Amino acid sequence: RKEVEQDPGPFNVPEGATVAFNCTYSNSASQSFFWYRQDCRKEPKLLMSVYSSGNEDGRFTAQLNRASQYISLLIRDSKLSDSATYLCVVNLSGGSYIPTFGRGTSLIVHP
Amino acid sequence: DAGVTQSPTHLIKTRGQQVTLRCSPKSGHDTVSWYQQALGQGPQFIFQYYEEEERQRGNFPDRFSGHQFPNYSSELNVNALLLGDSALYLCASSIFTGGTNTIYFGEGSWLTVV
Repeated sequence: RKEVEQDPGPFNVPEGATVAFNCTYSNSASQSFFWYRQDCRKEPKLLMSVYSSGNEDGRFTAQLNRASQYISLLIRDSKLSDSATYLCVVNLSGGSYIPTFGRGTSLIVHP
Repeated sequence: DAGVTQSPTHLIKTRGQQVTLRCSPKSGHDTVSWYQQALGQGPQFIFQYYEEEERQRGNFPDRFSGHQFPNYSSELNVNALLLGDSALYLCASSIFTGGTNTIYFGEGSWLTVV
């Protein structure tokens, strides 16, 4: 089983739709979690951290479920500019703060 | 405030050759990590440098080596290049604060091995 798993998609949605991505992780000792966005042929950029209580940033909401070991990203009112690959990132604890990436979920927002 | 910078941005090498990629971390960051990203995959961790020492290493052969300098900049060296080494090589810098480290990437170096 991979350490971090994501559905690669692509998710093809119309503008204005709500779309959700899930990501599961295998190591229960994981301590911090992030979502990164990567545009085609560009570097990944931090979208948002994921906190235990859940957090929201505009149209984006991230949630963490430690019991089931998954994190989610919800995008409301999708824009064309949201088209990108969304990478789930998990950080282990215990001195080994090596961010581990999922393979990413591709989102295509069409008019 | 300069972000993470990498050079070169694109390069083409022949099988068997050696390559050196360079990275300057974001100002104030002391940790540099290198990742390899093949098309359609997420970034794969190669190794991490802190205080000029390799602190952690991923599942990559010894052909992949690195170095960190006193100013925190870093190099990634790959020897005996294989076609499969063609990928985007990403440098990420971070500093451990508040119980975690958030990483910031450079624009990457696109390596093509022919």
